[in-house]
Amino acid sequence: EDQVTQSPEALRLQEGESSSLNCSYTVSGLRGLFWYRQDPGKGPEFLFTLYSAGEEKEKERLKATLTKKESFLHITAPKPEDSATYLCAVQADRGSTLGRLYFGRGTQLTVWP
Amino acid sequence: DGGITQSPKYLFRKEGQNVTLSCEQNLNHDAMYWYRQDPGQGLRLIYYSQIVNDFQKGDIAEGYSVSREKKESFPLTVTSAQKNPTAFYLCASTPWEGSNQPQHFGDGTRLSIL
Repeated sequence: EDQVTQSPEALRLQEGESSSLNCSYTVSGLRGLFWYRQDPGKGPEFLFTLYSAGEEKEKERLKATLTKKESFLHITAPKPEDSATYLCAVQADRGSTLGRLYFGRGTQLTVWP
Repeated sequence: DGGITQSPKYLFRKEGQNVTLSCEQNLNHDAMYWYRQDPGQGLRLIYYSQIVNDFQKGDIAEGYSVSREKKESFPLTVTSAQKNPTAFYLCASTPWEGSNQPQHFGDGTRLSIL
């Protein structure tokens, strides 16, 4: 049973065309939600952590928001260098392994000039 | 700069062969993790270690083994019992098991079958 679902699987945007990526989760108690960026052949690079509903974080053209059941990664006026796969992961507040992350399958973003 | 180093970047395995993937960190983190990434799938947890000389199975441990003799090192062995080893393997660490700080990742090892 998937605990983290990301949509869409793939997204193609023209440079400057803003959009949002979605991450919905079903863990009963959220300890933290993490967004990562992954370039081809590389490991995930940390972007944001969100801990409670209503929280928002921003970094350059990216803004992450969190509700009780989902998170959005908003991309404003994207550039080709924003092309990557964006991964969402959640950490539950109960269970035998508090530190483990549950990952979604990612959204592959392509921004063309 | 502190970080996680994985080696080699590419690895090829012959039938019946065991291969070992290296993961070294200089972040002084207690907890370390191994994940497997397949196309179109999320990262899946293979093994994790909370502290030196301790490790636990994750969701897909069959066909894999690990050791944690030093704080900074957490090697993963892919044994011949793992029938479908072709994947991208990622090592990660966090200050301690249960920390809600983000996990730091290495740049992965891509394993293929010859």
